[in-house]
Amino acid sequence: AQSVAQPEDQVNVAEGNPLTVKCTYSVSGNPYLFWYVQYPNRGLQFLLKYITGDNLVKGSYGFEAEFNKSQTSFHLKKPSALVSDSALYFCAVRDYTDKLIFGTGTRLQVFP
Amino acid sequence: DADVTQTPRNRITKTGKRIMLECSQTKGHDRMYWYRQDPGLGLRLIYYSFDVKDINKGEISDGYSVSRQAQAKFSLSLESAIPNQTALYFCATSDLRTGGRDTQYFGPGTRLTVL
Repeated sequence: AQSVAQPEDQVNVAEGNPLTVKCTYSVSGNPYLFWYVQYPNRGLQFLLKYITGDNLVKGSYGFEAEFNKSQTSFHLKKPSALVSDSALYFCAVRDYTDKLIFGTGTRLQVFP
Repeated sequence: DADVTQTPRNRITKTGKRIMLECSQTKGHDRMYWYRQDPGLGLRLIYYSFDVKDINKGEISDGYSVSRQAQAKFSLSLESAIPNQTALYFCATSDLRTGGRDTQYFGPGTRLTVL
């Protein structure tokens, strides 16, 4: 069965520092991987996806994610964090029936 | 995403009551989904519909039912609400035809409390 794991419940980073939110996956076949963000009192918003091609995927709000097949990881990154990036981040994988399987989420807190 | 709306946004009800949560979309998408979000558990799929005549159970469908009244409307019902159905509920849409089938668009959520 397809699954993703987000090993960190919370990530704390100072504004201006680089940030990484971790995600590992378990799939049979080629993985289709996604990152979504949830701001307070809002629904989830699509950030980026990896389907095929370059291992570094660029998305919205300056975020990017690196696909690493050998480590079965798809970590979300940003070179310089903003306080406004504070939110709940979800990694997801598409299963063979086109449904998305979400991770448990990682809360990112960016301190001024 | 303002193109996906959910009503009500907040609801407090009592155990045993029947509750309906409604979702409407103006995106013209064929696929619609209902999820619930619980702290520490992420999002779990309740039901999904790939077109008006196609309804499928998700990971946690027990205690829930759905109705796809039209392409744009997908309702979730709790026939007899219980306290462990207290959660944040999200509707989402996606569209196979535009090639964006993998990207889901979420409504703002309904916070349901069952006392």
